[in-house]
Amino acid sequence: DAGVTQSPTHLIKTRGQQVTLRCSPISGHKSVSWYQQVLGQGPQFIFQYYEKEERGRGNFPDRFSARQFPNYSSELNVNALLLGDSALYLCASSFAQGGMGNQPQHFGDGTRLSIL
Amino acid sequence: AQKVTQAQTEISVVEKEDVTLDCVYETRDTTYYLFWYKQPPSGELVFLIRRNSFDEQNEISGRYSWNFQKSTSSFNFTITASQVVDSAVYFCALIRGGGADGLTFGKGTHLIIQP
Repeated sequence: DAGVTQSPTHLIKTRGQQVTLRCSPISGHKSVSWYQQVLGQGPQFIFQYYEKEERGRGNFPDRFSARQFPNYSSELNVNALLLGDSALYLCASSFAQGGMGNQPQHFGDGTRLSIL
Repeated sequence: AQKVTQAQTEISVVEKEDVTLDCVYETRDTTYYLFWYKQPPSGELVFLIRRNSFDEQNEISGRYSWNFQKSTSSFNFTITASQVVDSAVYFCALIRGGGADGLTFGKGTHLIIQP
């Protein structure tokens, strides 16, 4: 079975540009969460979507937005990119919201975003 | 607010030694879940274990074991007879009951197993 897939793998942008990252959850999973991992740190929670609705938001500016589609895939958009947005962006999926029950969050390989 | 502390930034041991990774957490919730994830150089976070706040039983899975103690708010991870393939960054994480806030991760412990 395919795991969580993210695209693209790597991305280079310049300051002020906009970027869209994509995530396909594990088949049957209805919850998708996004995390930002800066080099040398643990991942930081950005958003959670469950059944196509935003269910949670971390402490990130409004430049960050996301959505979930009817097939449960998701996109993360970041506008007006800053140098500090350079990071590994991880997508995680779970069957239930936030990994409740016996279903943990399973992560993809991430998209490495570099801002020049 | 929740917090996860992994005080050990980096640990280096020789292969076959036992090693324990420490995790201390803070939360005001009575229902919460604790996790350990492994992150090899490729970047993917690999799920290792999940524990809920009502289950303090220790768990063993092969060479891995976990010790959960609510009295000290700790959820430590021990690797017995370490192997080079165990080299990675290990993260401890916490999520409150309901799960809408996402996982709160520690800063990770970089484990180096030398041959």
